[in-house]
Amino acid sequence: EPEVTQTPSHQVTQMGQEVILRCVPISNHLYFYWYRQILGQKVEFLVSFYNNEISEKSEIFDDQFSVERPDGSNFTLKIRSTKLEDSAMYFCASTRLAGGSGEQYFGPGTRLTVT
Amino acid sequence: AQRVTQPEKLLSVFKGAPVELKCNYSYSGSPELFWYVQYSRQRLQLLLRHISRESIKGFTADLNKGETSFHLKKPFAQEEDSAMYYCALRGGNTGKLIFGQGTTLQVKP
Repeated sequence: EPEVTQTPSHQVTQMGQEVILRCVPISNHLYFYWYRQILGQKVEFLVSFYNNEISEKSEIFDDQFSVERPDGSNFTLKIRSTKLEDSAMYFCASTRLAGGSGEQYFGPGTRLTVT
Repeated sequence: AQRVTQPEKLLSVFKGAPVELKCNYSYSGSPELFWYVQYSRQRLQLLLRHISRESIKGFTADLNKGETSFHLKKPFAQEEDSAMYYCALRGGNTGKLIFGQGTTLQVKP
């Protein structure tokens, strides 16, 4: 069964550095998402992406964040200048349908640690 | 405001006991609600959705619009049900999910 994959599984970076988190969604899916979960807190929506553009973003998703689908398979989340509070688990998800019976399939997550 | 509340962080029951994981929501439109489960060291996966009115692994959930609730129930818990359970609301036409805090279900032998 196809799965969403994410790399790396764990990324450690220093404050102020740029990081790129990578995701490969399921191949026939059209809608892509990033969520994050700070330790001990709820899973929070960051951004949705459809037809090569952002369709919705949360207030967390400020100018430090960007997303890209550089080729037909990868979907990336970039944080330009990481802060301590960016330390979290980042989940990518994809779905074929945004509404109705569309199920979002989640990747295993990337644990980002900012020191 | 769109919000999902799961009041219990931890629910601990003995094997064979009934389970009810509570979920309340706040949403101005017609809600689409889901339960996601995360077993130890595994990814988040869909358990069930209200639109399907299905029973998965013995779990059911009924949408009660009057009480704005979508509680997850199982009559007889099994040890393999131990996991983190998240209630989620699909908000807007982009499909984003709004999650509750999650409830850890611990089923003791």
